[in-house]
Amino acid sequence: NAGVTQTPKFQVLKTGQSMTLQCAQDMNHNSMYWYRQDPGMGLRLIYYSASEGTTDKGEVPNGYNVSRLNKREFSLRLESAAPSQTSVYFCASRTRQPNEKLFFGSGTQLSVL
Amino acid sequence: AQSVSQHNHHVILSEAASLELGCNYSYGGTVNLFWYVQYPGQHLQLLLKYFSGDPLVKGIKGFEAEFIKSKFSFNLRKPSVQWSDTAEYFCAVKGPGANNLFFGTGTRLTVIP
Repeated sequence: NAGVTQTPKFQVLKTGQSMTLQCAQDMNHNSMYWYRQDPGMGLRLIYYSASEGTTDKGEVPNGYNVSRLNKREFSLRLESAAPSQTSVYFCASRTRQPNEKLFFGSGTQLSVL
Repeated sequence: AQSVSQHNHHVILSEAASLELGCNYSYGGTVNLFWYVQYPGQHLQLLLKYFSGDPLVKGIKGFEAEFIKSKFSFNLRKPSVQWSDTAEYFCAVKGPGANNLFFGTGTRLTVIP
């Protein structure tokens, strides 16, 4: 059981470069999420997708775009990376109510120089 | 706007000491409440949750939390901590029908053997 798989695990970018973080889940969940984790700020929601083909902004969407092309995959794109985007990024998927629970990926540590 | 406050940023305890981590939330209406834990080098996982019913909920590894509606609180407790409880603990809240989950800033727990 793979659960939620994120790639890459580590990435270093120069300011202005672009990249896409990949996320896939094999649990047939409808809802998927992208969070960033920063020291002293906890987890902040960037974007989420309630179902295939739909996406919505979270708390900190600026500088990011997402794609939910199918039920399994939810990617996060940085078009022009900035040092403020240095963070650890987590993808998650959620089971349905009533027994809802988030399953997290192992994270991507991104540094923007 | 929804928000979650965790006032303890870093707690240091000796093994066998009792633990209580504070969590207060701001949310207009019925809430679903969660505690997630992140062990060193691992991804977040669910510790326990409250949706309705008995306000005292029990989770994995001997943890419990009490929902006190009048205080907008959902504090996490454990009678006797172990070294293996060293981790970061996140409180989270969402509305029952909402899609996004709001996390607190986290509390780092260090247990000294």
